[in-house]
Amino acid sequence: GNSVTQMEGPVTLSEEAFLTINCTYTATGYPSLFWYVQYPGEGLQLLLKATKADDKGSNKGFEATYRKETTSFHLEKGSVQVSDSAVYFCALLEAGGTSYGKLTFGQGTILTVHP
Amino acid sequence: KAGVTQTPRYLIKTRGQQVTLSCSPISGHRSVSWYQQTPGQGLQFLFEYFSETQRNKGNFPGRFSGRQFSNSRSEMNVSTLELGDSALYLCASSLDGARTEAFFGQGTRLTVV
Repeated sequence: GNSVTQMEGPVTLSEEAFLTINCTYTATGYPSLFWYVQYPGEGLQLLLKATKADDKGSNKGFEATYRKETTSFHLEKGSVQVSDSAVYFCALLEAGGTSYGKLTFGQGTILTVHP
Repeated sequence: KAGVTQTPRYLIKTRGQQVTLSCSPISGHRSVSWYQQTPGQGLQFLFEYFSETQRNKGNFPGRFSGRQFSNSRSEMNVSTLELGDSALYLCASSLDGARTEAFFGQGTRLTVV
């Protein structure tokens, strides 16, 4: 079956540091890939997406590139802010078949940014 | 454009009771999925509905059920509640549940005592 593996957290950084959160996946077919962010007491917010190989998703300074050859979708940001402190989830959606509407999530990575 | 709305935000129920949670998707979205989030198991898929039909189901016991109405609003029901059902239940809507992105509601925090 499908699976998503994220780097273990928590990740603690100082403001303006560079962020990388690794994500690798296993899937049959050609899934769409997503990063979601969850703030305390909230639901998940879509951060960025990529639907095919070599696509780069970007939003709010975050970027991730769909690498089919390494089955990876690593999240990066050049300069983090305190307000980026949250839990980050990598997820995949396999198109069609019996996979309708089923996002497969990684375990989540807690990010804490200190001033 | 209004986002995904889940009601209620918080619930406290007693073991053995049943509970119904509601989800109103983004206007125009026909696919609604439900997830259970717990610290131990993370985010787990419950089921997906599209045009009032369940197209996909996760590995949960039959106590967990759902339905979707003609206006795409969805409900999920949990019968005979157990302590282990305490969780954050998240609803997500998308245009088609296939390749398009899903948008989540704020969730319903269910506590079973």
